[in-house]
Amino acid sequence: QKEVEQDPGPLSVPEGAIVSLNCTYSNSAFQYFMWYRQYSRKGPELLMYTYSSGNKEDGRFTAQVDKSSKYISLFIRDSQPSDSATYLCAMISGNNRKLIWGLGTSLAVNP
Amino acid sequence: AAGVIQSPRHLIKEKRETATLKCYPIPRHDTVYWYQQGPGQDPQFLISFYEKMQSDKGSIPDRFSAQQFSDYHSELNMSSLELGDSALYFCASSLSGGGPDTQYFGPGTRLTVL
Repeated sequence: QKEVEQDPGPLSVPEGAIVSLNCTYSNSAFQYFMWYRQYSRKGPELLMYTYSSGNKEDGRFTAQVDKSSKYISLFIRDSQPSDSATYLCAMISGNNRKLIWGLGTSLAVNP
Repeated sequence: AAGVIQSPRHLIKEKRETATLKCYPIPRHDTVYWYQQGPGQDPQFLISFYEKMQSDKGSIPDRFSAQQFSDYHSELNMSSLELGDSALYFCASSLSGGGPDTQYFGPGTRLTVL
């Protein structure tokens, strides 16, 4: 079993929908939680990172971390066709620089 | 803003050949990471360097080696290429500090082994 589980989808939504992307993890040592967006044939692009539990908002994106449930989420409001990409969650434990990745969820936002 | 630069962007090799991938980190970043990503897979960590010294090692085959040079650029050398080495190879760089090392990825090199 992978340390980080993420449903690969694909997820298809109409333009303007609210999108919810999720990851679960098993290692309670994880402290930093990242969301990356990857367009086809491009490198992953850091969207947001959160330390410990709580919410973080940046424009149309909100990241949530629930350490008690070992569950993280990324919400995208007013989704746009340009949001169509693969979204990967990644995590780091306190003293380790190695990113542990989810498999990524493929999202398609249809106009 | 300057980003991570990788070259070449595409590379086609035959089995048993060698390949060298180059990575130029964001200026002033002190850490470089190499990842391999197969189709539909998450990036697999290969190796990292901090201040030109190897800092961590992942699932890098013995046929591969890497180093970071005095100007902080890094090269991934791959020998005796196999069909299974066909993948996207990403380099990422970060600046170490008090928080997590947020890694910034380059566009990747697509290696095809025939």
